[in-house]
Order: sequence, then structure tokens, then C-alpha cells
Amino acid sequence: SQLAEENPWALSVHEGESVTVNCSYKTSITALQWYRQKSGEGPAQLILIRSNEREKRNGRLRATLDTSSQSSSLSITATRCEDTAVYFCATDPDQGGRALIFGTGTTVSVSP
Amino acid sequence: GPKVLQIPSHQIIDMGQMVTLNCDPVSNHLYFYWYKQILGQQMEFLVNFYNGKVMEKSKLFKDQFSVERPDGSYFTLKIQPTALEDSAVYFCASSTGGQAETLYFGSGTRLTVL
Repeated sequence: SQLAEENPWALSVHEGESVTVNCSYKTSITALQWYRQKSGEGPAQLILIRSNEREKRNGRLRATLDTSSQSSSLSITATRCEDTAVYFCATDPDQGGRALIFGTGTTVSVSP
Repeated sequence: GPKVLQIPSHQIIDMGQMVTLNCDPVSNHLYFYWYKQILGQQMEFLVNFYNGKVMEKSKLFKDQFSVERPDGSYFTLKIQPTALEDSAVYFCASSTGGQAETLYFGSGTRLTVL
């Protein structure tokens, strides 16, 4: 089973609408990161939220973290066509390995 | 922002041959990583590298895989010999610290093993 999973698997919205991607994870973490991967590119970090933080904002992006339920969400407001991408959550485990572990990804499509 | 360069962007080789994937990480970064991605799916961790040594590796990092960064030059992933299941996009990343730090990724090398 996956150590981190996003849901839903895919989302479609129109420009200007808001969209939320959810992530559930199974390990104890020091931080959780959200990355965006556009077609043909490598992932690019959007937000890093540490385990002692509950919310983090970056422009139109807002991430939440609930360590008790081991879940996180990423919301994008006023979406644009260029927000079309795969969105991954990635966990920094606080024990065992230190490697950043990616979830399965949510494909977000924003149409005009 | 900081850029990680990967060379080449595409590589096609015959099964059993050796291949070396090259990565030019961000200049002041100390930690280096390789991830494998098949068909735009999940990014799977292969290995991380610090101070000239492998820090940790996943079970995907088979005995045929090796990494090195001789004298601060390219950080390389070598596969010898290659197998059909090695076909994937390989992403290199680097960071300043080892945990809870931003990873900066390259654009990937698409490896096709025939």
C-alpha cells in the first residue's frame, strides 16, 4: 500500500473556480510538501508545511495539515489554465529513512 | 529559481548495455537524489547521496545501479547492465539540507531500453 495518497485521482474545473486536492499519509512526519508537475517537466515545490504548523499560504495556494488524522489538503483559488498539472503531496518521515516520499498524484485540469 | 540540469533529455539503448545519466545540481547544494517515474505516474525514490556517499536507497535501486559525483562534477546514475523494466523517466534533484527541505528537480531523462 502507498505511504501517501492523494484524492481524487483527477479533477476538472473551469478557470476562476477553486479546487482542493486531499492527501492522506501513513507515517509520522517532520513535514509535508506539495509539488506540481507540468507535462514534460520535473516537479516544482509549491508549499512546505512542517508538522507543528496547521496552515500555510502561498499566493493563491493554501495548504492545511492535520497530524492527528494524518491528512493534508491543498486548495487553489481563482484557478488559471496554467494550473493544469499533476499535484503530489510528499512526506518527510521523522524516523527510518529521510527520503522525500511522493504520493500517487492528482491530475488537475483547468479549462477556459 | 535554482536550476538542475539533466543530460541527455532522451536516451535509447539496447537491453544489456550500460547507460550513464548525468545531472548538474544547484551549485551550493549538498544533497542529491534520483527518482524514477513511469508513464507520468508516481515519483519513486531511488537513492540519495551526501558527502560522497549513498545515504539511503530503495529496493528499486538494484545492484546494477550505481551513483557517484567525482570531484564536484556531474552527479551520475549508471545502470549496468540495463533491463527492459528500466525504461522510465529519471529525475535528479538536489537540496541544501537532508530533510524537510525543498528539492529542486531537473526536467528528467527519458530512458528507453529496447
